[in-house]
Amino acid sequence: SQTIHQWPATLVQPVGSPLSLECTVEGTSNPNLYWYRQAAGRGLQLLFYSVGIGQISSEVPQNLSASRPQDRQFILSSKKLLLSDSGFYLCAWSTYRQPIEQYFGPGTRLTVT
Amino acid sequence: GQNIDQPTEMTATEGAIVQINCTYQTSGFNGLFWYQQHAGEAPTFLSYNVLDGLEEKGRFSSFLSRSKGYSYLLLKELQMKDSASYLCAVRGRGSQGNLIFGKGTKLSVKP
Repeated sequence: SQTIHQWPATLVQPVGSPLSLECTVEGTSNPNLYWYRQAAGRGLQLLFYSVGIGQISSEVPQNLSASRPQDRQFILSSKKLLLSDSGFYLCAWSTYRQPIEQYFGPGTRLTVT
Repeated sequence: GQNIDQPTEMTATEGAIVQINCTYQTSGFNGLFWYQQHAGEAPTFLSYNVLDGLEEKGRFSSFLSRSKGYSYLLLKELQMKDSASYLCAVRGRGSQGNLIFGKGTKLSVKP
């Protein structure tokens, strides 16, 4: 069966510090991968998606970036965090053949102080 | 533009039936999804509609009318564990499976 992992589970970082969140998927090959952010009182916002290694599409301009160095690994990064980057970050995957439902990882709660 | 509207909060009684509505305006349509999200946890998939009509899955049912840009999630025999946020999401045509999410409806089930 497929599983998706994210770490860390929680993170408190000062403004201006770098960020690296990691997501890995097991039990499937060539998945579509997604990074979402859920801020308080707002819906899930798609940040990046990837259909293959090295292929990243950005949905929202921001100071975040994403990379996919391996088929089942997706990384979200920032060089300098802003207060507005606080939120609940969720990684998700879907099959590439039938991108129907997306399956979400456990999430990382980021607080920028 | 793209817009998905859901009520912010709802309250219902244990054992009752509740209907959560969702209206959408999107550029293209290739399916509507409902997710359940308990506080502090990740969303979990509940249902998927791409054709008009009712899809039933146990205590949960989801309805879609594409001409009206309207869907609802029906929860029967409510249990306390059904207290959660319910997210409506639409997949646009030609996308890589990308979903546009509403802000969610927070459902509180009371004894």
